[in-house]
Amino acid sequence: EDKVVQSPLSLVVHEGDTVTLNCSYEVTNFRSLLWYKQEKKAPTFLFMLTSSGIEKKSGRLSSILDKKELFSILNITATQTGDSAIYLCAVSPSYDKVIFGPGTSLSVIP
Amino acid sequence: EAGVTQFPSHSVIEKGQTVTLRCDPISGHDNLYWYRRVMGKEIKFLLHFVKESKQDESGMPNNRFLAERTGGTYSTLKVQPAELEDSGVYFCASSQNWRGAGNEQFFGPGTRLTVL
Repeated sequence: EDKVVQSPLSLVVHEGDTVTLNCSYEVTNFRSLLWYKQEKKAPTFLFMLTSSGIEKKSGRLSSILDKKELFSILNITATQTGDSAIYLCAVSPSYDKVIFGPGTSLSVIP
Repeated sequence: EAGVTQFPSHSVIEKGQTVTLRCDPISGHDNLYWYRRVMGKEIKFLLHFVKESKQDESGMPNNRFLAERTGGTYSTLKVQPAELEDSGVYFCASSQNWRGAGNEQFFGPGTRLTVL
């Protein structure tokens, strides 16, 4: 069965810290890996990764994919309280389906 | 541009009753998806529409769930009769790409369903 695992499930850090969120997956077919940030309501799209070793970057957030080892990491540098959210990793095995991991709940305290 | 909207934001019903959730995708998005997150579990795929056609409904839990997308615009998800285990947050998402490499799905805020 296709599966996405995230670690840690929960994380509390101080403002200014750097965090690394992990995502590993087992799927029968792979098209892309996606990261979402979920605050109060709708998950919002962060990154889509399709190729190994190419870092995607947006401000203080960056992500990279390793298709050989079947994992991805999401880095957040110089964290701020506004980064507090649930970070969802998802894998798309086909054009019409997305399999989500359980999410990592990140709390950034002042 | 308006995002994906869902109605209602929260619904509380009793076991055995019927509830209908609505999703309005982003205008022009042919693909519409329904997902569900039950307490303590990950978000799970329910089904996928391309325009008005059901492309994949492999995630629908049982025949108490009926999704429609008449006219290929908004979609409804009806639960009849509702059971306690149906409680959770129901998300809708839409995307524009069909078979391309991109699969960016834009999510709605979700409908929180509580079955008592």
